[in-house]
Order: sequence, then C-alpha cells, then structure tokens
Amino acid sequence: RKEVEQDPGPFNVPEGATVAFNCTYSNSASQSFFWYRQDCRKEPKLLMSVYSSGNEDGRFTAQLNRASQYISLLIRDSKLSDSATYLCVVNEKGGSYIPTFGRGTSLIVHP
Amino acid sequence: SQTIHQWPATLVQPVGSPLSLECTVEGTSNPNLYWYRQAAGRGLQLLFYSVGIGQISSEVPQNLSASRPQDRQFILSSKKLLLSDSGFYLCAWSGPTGELFFGEGSRLTVL
Repeated sequence: RKEVEQDPGPFNVPEGATVAFNCTYSNSASQSFFWYRQDCRKEPKLLMSVYSSGNEDGRFTAQLNRASQYISLLIRDSKLSDSATYLCVVNEKGGSYIPTFGRGTSLIVHP
Repeated sequence: SQTIHQWPATLVQPVGSPLSLECTVEGTSNPNLYWYRQAAGRGLQLLFYSVGIGQISSEVPQNLSASRPQDRQFILSSKKLLLSDSGFYLCAWSGPTGELFFGEGSRLTVL
C-alpha cells in the first residue's frame, strides 16, 4: 500500500507562534494533494489544496516538493482555535481518485 | 450546493448483530463515493469506494460490505459485527480534483 507519513506530534505552541508540518508520500505518481483539519470527534474538513506553485490562504501556506515527495503546511500567528489534528491527503488517479490519508499531526495552541 | 448526510450518528451494537449505515449526497450527480473508518487514535482507513451505481471497490477484506443502489446513496453493512468493527465511520464524496467532502460520521461501538 502506498504510504503517507506524518509526525503525529503533538506540537505544543503558544499563541502567535509559527508552526510547520511536513508530510511525506511514497508514490511518485501521486497527482493531487490536500490538507484537512479534524477537530476531536468530528469529521475531517478540507483546509486547502496544495498546488505545485504553492498555495496561501490567510495565515496558512501549503507547499509541494515533488522532487523530495513531501508537502508542508505553515501556520503563522497561531490562534487557540487552530488546535486540531491536521491530516495530509495524497491522491493517486487511475480512472478515479484514490485518496490516502496520513495519520495526522496534532497541534495544541496554548495561551 | 452539495450536501452529504449520513446516519445514524451514534450506535451501540452487540457482537454478532447486523449493521447498516446509510449515506446520501445532494446537489451533484454521479459522484465518487467513499467509506472510511477511523479507529480510536488512528488514521483514516479506506474501506470501499464507488464510481457509479452498483460499482463497488473494496480496499480491505473484512466482514463489511457496501452497496450503491442509487446514484447518490451509499450503504455500509455487516451481517455480524466484531469487536474490532468499533470506530468512527465516515462517508465522503469527491470533487473534480479529488478533494473529499465528508458526512458528519457515524460512531459505532460494538460490545
């Protein structure tokens, strides 16, 4: 099975800090990449797509490095409400998308 | 806009009992549909996906089955539950570039 690896953390940071997560994938033919956020006992929700040229949405920046087969998520000026688990998803495509999830990185933002 | 609903939200079942979880999608036609399971403290495991009515692909051999009787309906079933079937079951549909949108999940406890 193709692998998607994430550091489970937890990353414990103060409010206002900048924090970065990486996610590595093993299938060089992977075609699309995403970050999801999952709150405790809730469903994952799409945070952002990851494009080859990078993608920024407010305090969040996602980047893709195809040569080294990893994606990253940078969160600037962390808020208490950013506390959650961040899941990276990598899609193969062979007629239809087969998404593979990493196990997630836990972020705890404290006052 | 598209919406996805799954039910029941919570259930407690004895070992050996049957299971039926249902998922419906509104606002889109011929979506790719997925069933995932998330065991406590673990990542999302893809169980089944479907690209159309009656078309089911199984990712993990087990005592679960899935059916897609209508275009926007996806059902997860079991004839006899095992303790190891406990978990958080998530239905999802995929967008044009493979991004997933999840239902609110069904939390199953097998006793």
